[in-house]
Amino acid sequence: EVQLVESGGGLVQPGRSLKLSCLASGFTFSNYGMNWIRQAPGKGLEWVASISSSSSYIYYADTVKGRFTISRDNAKNTLYLQMTSLRSEDTALYYCASLNYGSSYWGQGVMVTVSS
Amino acid sequence: DIVLTQSPTTMAASPGEKVTLTCRASSSVSYMNWYQQKPGASPKLWIYGTSKLASGVPNRFSGSGSGTSYSLIISSMETEDIATYYCQQCCSTLTFGSGTKLEIK
Repeated sequence: EVQLVESGGGLVQPGRSLKLSCLASGFTFSNYGMNWIRQAPGKGLEWVASISSSSSYIYYADTVKGRFTISRDNAKNTLYLQMTSLRSEDTALYYCASLNYGSSYWGQGVMVTVSS
Repeated sequence: DIVLTQSPTTMAASPGEKVTLTCRASSSVSYMNWYQQKPGASPKLWIYGTSKLASGVPNRFSGSGSGTSYSLIISSMETEDIATYYCQQCCSTLTFGSGTKLEIK
């Protein structure tokens, strides 16, 4: 069974940093591109960042470019999102997801709240 | 970047009614995916490649479209279809539509 389990969320002050992790199991993690997608409370889905299977290709949404860094450790089956210079508008539920043609797997999400 | 505009934002349908949700892209895309999200749950892939049903999706659902205009159609609304539906395009960068919340009348 495929499982994606996010961790590392919490309450953080504006301007501070936070690092999210996503532990994958049940599939060959190193073969698949991965994504972070977020959802602000009561709002829609917003793609944040993508990384290819070997980390060769990395893409960011304009709203986080220069502040967030996506990375992965295939030996640990783990996806990361380093978030710096956090703003109130970054408050959201952050999902780790493997989105493939014909299939998708999502974690349950981890909440990040940016507030003083 | 490609912007996806979904309409309507919210709609209510009666059981048995045909439902059509629309997604328009600001530029032509190769195909469209659709996700279903119920309250408190993670999104699920519902339709991929414009018209292919994901595993387990009832065949009362269908998808169509090309270029900049795509649709998700429910031939006969059922209570279990209450959810928010998002369209999504790929592939180097992803974009989601703002969603259509489908309610029962």
